[in-house]
Formats: sequence, C-alpha cells, structure tokens
Amino acid sequence: GQNIDQPTEMTATEGAIVQINCTYQTSGFNGLFWYQQHAGEAPTFLSYNVLDGLEEKGRFSSFLSRSKGYSYLLLKELQMKDSASYLCAVRDQAGGSYIPTFGRGTSLIVHP
Amino acid sequence: DTGVSQNPRHKITKRGQNVTFRCDPISEHNRLYWYRQTLGQGPEFLTYFQNEAQLEKSRLLSDRFSAERPKGSFSTLEIQRTEQGDSAMYLCASSSSDSEAFFGQGTRLTVV
Repeated sequence: GQNIDQPTEMTATEGAIVQINCTYQTSGFNGLFWYQQHAGEAPTFLSYNVLDGLEEKGRFSSFLSRSKGYSYLLLKELQMKDSASYLCAVRDQAGGSYIPTFGRGTSLIVHP
Repeated sequence: DTGVSQNPRHKITKRGQNVTFRCDPISEHNRLYWYRQTLGQGPEFLTYFQNEAQLEKSRLLSDRFSAERPKGSFSTLEIQRTEQGDSAMYLCASSSSDSEAFFGQGTRLTVV
C-alpha cells in the first residue's frame, strides 16, 4: 500500500503563491494526481504527473520527483475561490489493479 | 454524458436498516471505484471494478458491505445492518484505462 503525507492546513494571502507538498511511499508507482475539493462537493481533477518534472496548467503547476517520492502543487495569483481542500493521490499498479489512494488533504485558506 | 451520477444525494436511515446506493459512471469508462469520506479526511478506498469484475476490495470493508456492477455499466453499493460509524459521504468515481478518475457528487449517509 501507500503512505501519503501532506500538511493538514495552510493559509495564504490573496494574490500570493502557495506550494502544497506531498510525500509518498509506494511499491508500484503509476502516477500522481492532485484534486481540489470544496466543502460539501466532489473532488475535481487538477493535474497528473507520471514522469519527473513540472506540469503547468494556467495558475496551477505540479511537480514530481519519483526518486524522492515527492510532489508539490503550486498555486499562483491566489484567489479567494481557491480556498478548498487539495488532495494528493497516488496510483499503484500492484496486483494489476490501478487504484488511486488519497492522502488526507490539505485545507487551504486564502484571506484578503 | 454529463459525468458520474450518484443517487440518492442524501440518505438518512435508522441503525440496523439496509441501504443501497447507485452510481452511473461516464459511459465509456471501464473502471469504477467506490470511496468513503468523512469530515477532514481524504477519500478512503472501498472497492474497484474493471468492467463487471470486482478486482479489489479494501480490508476495511466489512462483510456488511457489498457492491455489484452487473453489466459493466452502473454499480450499486449496499450496506446491511447499518451502524452509526457508517455515516459518511460515499463517493463513486470512474476512469478509462490511463485517465484520471472523475467523481460523482456523492451520497451523504446519516445513520441515526
């Protein structure tokens, strides 16, 4: 199985940049996902990394280092609507199944 | 296709009753996942289907829980003899072979 660790809570100021880290341990790595989840709503997909490096998508970027078992999600030009939980999920191919396992999420609070 | 659909959105039941939830995945997706989420936690894996075959079940899933996907399309999750600890959001997600998982809006279960 996986051991996924991310900070419980972070705060940041509107307009700033914030980096949310995720570390993981897995035996059959097959991709890392970041999801955003607003309170009471379903998780929505943000980004996917399977190779090392940075993936940029608008204000959001995600980085992966497979050798370090490390990823981060970078949010630029923060807006109040970015206040949400950010979930790191690792997909493992152990046993032939491809099942994403989620961390507990990082609650981001953006204040004016 | 408007995405993953779950019914009902909310369910309140008395302890000891049986409940059944339904998930309609995105039509071309062959993989279907059930997760459970409680407040402040990330989604916790319950079970996984590839087409109609149930390939993985979490060790956390007691024998009161059963899931089916009879024709490889919609899926049902049944909880027998519900307990207060079963109160949670039950999330369904679907994906194609290498894509990210898309989540439904979830069924919020309250056991009183």
